[in-house]
Amino acid sequence: SQTIHQWPATLVQPVGSPLSLECTVEGTSNPNLYWYRQAAGRGLQLLFYSVGIGQISSEVPQNLSASRPQDRQFILSSKKLLLSDSGFYLCAWSGVDRGRTGELFFGEGSRLTVL
Amino acid sequence: LAKTTQPISMDSYEGQEVNITCSHNNIATNDYITWYQQFPSQGPRFIIQGYKTKVTNEVASLFIPADRKSSTLSLPRVSLSDTAVYYCLVGAGSYNTDKLIFGTGTRLQVFP
Repeated sequence: SQTIHQWPATLVQPVGSPLSLECTVEGTSNPNLYWYRQAAGRGLQLLFYSVGIGQISSEVPQNLSASRPQDRQFILSSKKLLLSDSGFYLCAWSGVDRGRTGELFFGEGSRLTVL
Repeated sequence: LAKTTQPISMDSYEGQEVNITCSHNNIATNDYITWYQQFPSQGPRFIIQGYKTKVTNEVASLFIPADRKSSTLSLPRVSLSDTAVYYCLVGAGSYNTDKLIFGTGTRLQVFP
């Protein structure tokens, strides 16, 4: 069966520090991968999505970046965090081998607090 | 991309049926309609998906009119555990989907 993992689960970072969140998917190949962010009490904001290795589309061109070095690995990064980067970050995948089209499967989430 | 509009919040009582409607006026011919449920500090999870008419599974029903410009998620006999945020997502026009954008969601509060 397919699984998705992301880490770390929780982190507290000072303003201006770097960030790296990692997400991996198992049990499927060539998934579409997504990074979403959810601020406190708000909805889900799409940050990046990827349809293949090295293919990244950005929805929020701020101080965040994403990379996909391997088929089932998706990394969210920042060189210098802002206070506004605080939130709940969710990685998700969807794939062509699912019975339903466009169904998203989410990781456990990473809660980032920038102080 | 089809933009979705949902009520911000809804209240209900245990045992009642809850209907949440989502508007998606510019839905594309190949788009599907998918509903997700999200609890605090968790990722959304799939509830139901449909293309047209009515779809029913073990937890919900989805009603889609002929023009497909809206859809209604129906939760029968809600319980306290159904308190969550519900999202309507329209897209997946291609077999291998790319961009999937959520709307604001509907926060459902179920009271005893």
